[in-house]
Amino acid sequence: QSVLTQPPSVSGAPGQRVTISCTGSSSNIGTSFGVHWYQQLPGTAPKLLIYDNTNRPSGVPDRFSGSKSGTSASLAITGLQADDEADFYCQSYDTSLSSWVFGGGTKLTVL
Amino acid sequence: EVQLVESGGGLVQPGGSLRLSCADSGFNFRNYEMNWVRQAPGKGLEWVSYISSDGSLIYYADSVRGRFTISRDNAKSSLYLQMNSLRAEDTAVYYCARKTTGTTYFNYWGQGTLVTVSS
Repeated sequence: QSVLTQPPSVSGAPGQRVTISCTGSSSNIGTSFGVHWYQQLPGTAPKLLIYDNTNRPSGVPDRFSGSKSGTSASLAITGLQADDEADFYCQSYDTSLSSWVFGGGTKLTVL
Repeated sequence: EVQLVESGGGLVQPGGSLRLSCADSGFNFRNYEMNWVRQAPGKGLEWVSYISSDGSLIYYADSVRGRFTISRDNAKSSLYLQMNSLRAEDTAVYYCARKTTGTTYFNYWGQGTLVTVSS
């Protein structure tokens, strides 16, 4: 049971927009530590996709965007491409657990 | 370019020990906080342990506290994880992940090393 809750899977057709939700609590996403997102392509290590709720590291396309409201966050992907198929994880720091925590992951399928 | 390379994984019997290493090819290893994150087969990510840039602060997940020990050698730009009393549920790919001071995200990851605990 993950501290952060994500849907197990989402799907969309090429060119469409999809969103992935991440629900936490006042001790993690609801704090100033915020939420971060990682993309894990098949057979590879996770890669930082969004940090501090809304920021993209250099090299990440602006098709990927993040938002946060209260104790929940969302990752949006526009203009879906076949090579976007991956697992996506949200992550935060939990002040009650004194631990870095992840969501269970969401598998994106491009139809 | 930052490159983190893990090694030391393998097959070990329950109750056994293993030591993982993570080598940083960059020049500023001593300036960064380091972590171990693991991923059981077909499962999600789980944070395992943290060590500050100078090694003075160390944290563990409850699932490994008392069995695993994190350490670093800044002169060798290397991170280690000594794993004792291994259990089947420790089977996972172990990633080293770098974190910048003052942030709560992991901005660089190694490629991972697989640890299998089985008789």
